[in-house]
Amino acid sequence: AQKITQTQPGMFVQEKEAVTLDCTYDTSDPSYGLFWYKQPSSGEMIFLIYQGSYDQQNATEGRYSLNFQKARKSANLVISASQLGDSAMYFCAMREKRSNFGNEKLTFGTGTRLTIIP
Amino acid sequence: GAVVSQHPSRVICKSGTSVKIECRSLDFQATTMFWYRQFPKQSLMLMATSNEGSKATYEQGVEKDKFLINHASLTLSTLTVTSAHPEDSSFYICSATRYLSRGNNQPQHFGDGTRLSIL
Repeated sequence: AQKITQTQPGMFVQEKEAVTLDCTYDTSDPSYGLFWYKQPSSGEMIFLIYQGSYDQQNATEGRYSLNFQKARKSANLVISASQLGDSAMYFCAMREKRSNFGNEKLTFGTGTRLTIIP
Repeated sequence: GAVVSQHPSRVICKSGTSVKIECRSLDFQATTMFWYRQFPKQSLMLMATSNEGSKATYEQGVEKDKFLINHASLTLSTLTVTSAHPEDSSFYICSATRYLSRGNNQPQHFGDGTRLSIL
């Protein structure tokens, strides 16, 4: 069974500083996808960044980058130059293919609540 | 703009009421949609996978008769919480994947969620 672990329940970061949110995963499948989502207090889930298991380079999307260390099974999210609007819950998720159901399943970590301090 | 629309955003109703939540894919066809449940301060848990034109597949421990899923068209899936009770109060959120190209890099796009409160 797959598992996603986020060890930081909460983080406080000064505005304009960079922040790293940790995520480790466990899977025996060679093909998988890793995602990061942001959930503000309003509840919507906002897709931030994706990393495929076969991708050679770390994914980047604007101020977001993913530090993918495949051998260590970690996929940490790095947010550069943090802003007050970055305050939210952040979830790491892994996608698996399900042979029995013929589709996919997204499994989420427990999340990290990030608070940006002015 | 929004890729997936979910309605209503909030429901407050009495115990015993059945509540229907709609999830629509905007500008794309979704043969598969997903329904999640999130308790306060917890993560999202997949409840079921909604398949257009066929029965939904439910995760272990999810009552099929309590949570009825209908995926009658390529852009609409509905979740009906039947005879809701206070323990069904939760945040329900749907998602769909918009496949723009080949490969696995397409994310699930989520609706804004529905906060269900059963009195």
